[in-house]
Amino acid sequence: GESVGLHLPTLSVQEGDNSIINCAYSNSASDYFIWYKQESGKGPQFIIDIRSNMDKRQGQRVTVLLNKTVKHLSLQIAATQPGDSAVYFCAERRSQGNLIFGKGTKLSVKP
Amino acid sequence: IAGITQAPTSQILAAGRRMTLRCTQDMRHNAMYWYRQDLGLGLRLIHYSNTAGTTGKGEVPDGYSVSRANTDDFPLTLASAVPSQTSVYFCASSEGQGDRTEAFFGQGTRLTVV
Repeated sequence: GESVGLHLPTLSVQEGDNSIINCAYSNSASDYFIWYKQESGKGPQFIIDIRSNMDKRQGQRVTVLLNKTVKHLSLQIAATQPGDSAVYFCAERRSQGNLIFGKGTKLSVKP
Repeated sequence: IAGITQAPTSQILAAGRRMTLRCTQDMRHNAMYWYRQDLGLGLRLIHYSNTAGTTGKGEVPDGYSVSRANTDDFPLTLASAVPSQTSVYFCASSEGQGDRTEAFFGQGTRLTVV
């Protein structure tokens, strides 16, 4: 079946380095994608979103890239900080409007 | 502070018992959702409601029921709990099916069925 998945379950980076978290999706009809950050013991928090008619969107220290040709989504975090340590989820919006989540990538930032 | 409130924050429940998880939002969002989160499986959609008075099934609806009598409340009921329903449950809401479907999440309910 169609699903959203992640290439890497864990990612460890040095403080100050850039982080790249990847996500693959298989539903070509999905028109909207979101990245969420989840800290331990908390609910997911919105980071950044992108619509399918865009290739790139930038926020504060974060950039999302969408490659519709290979159905790939990535989240880039610039100058990663200890506070960025969390689990990151990508989500895609299906035709019914529901969000379907990937399994998550745990980002650990080494001081 | 506007947002989503879930109750209880945690619960230990005997198998076979009935349980309702409460969810209330004050953002006047049309759509609300219930997800369960299990280690290694991410967030899976249980049920959703696009507007008051309507509900729909998500990926894993069996054993759960919901109702949406008004815009603000979206309770999730386990009619007869089983150990496989041990999980962390998140309620979420969003404006709807427009350009933005950003979902806002509650803090979660940790449920243990023994």
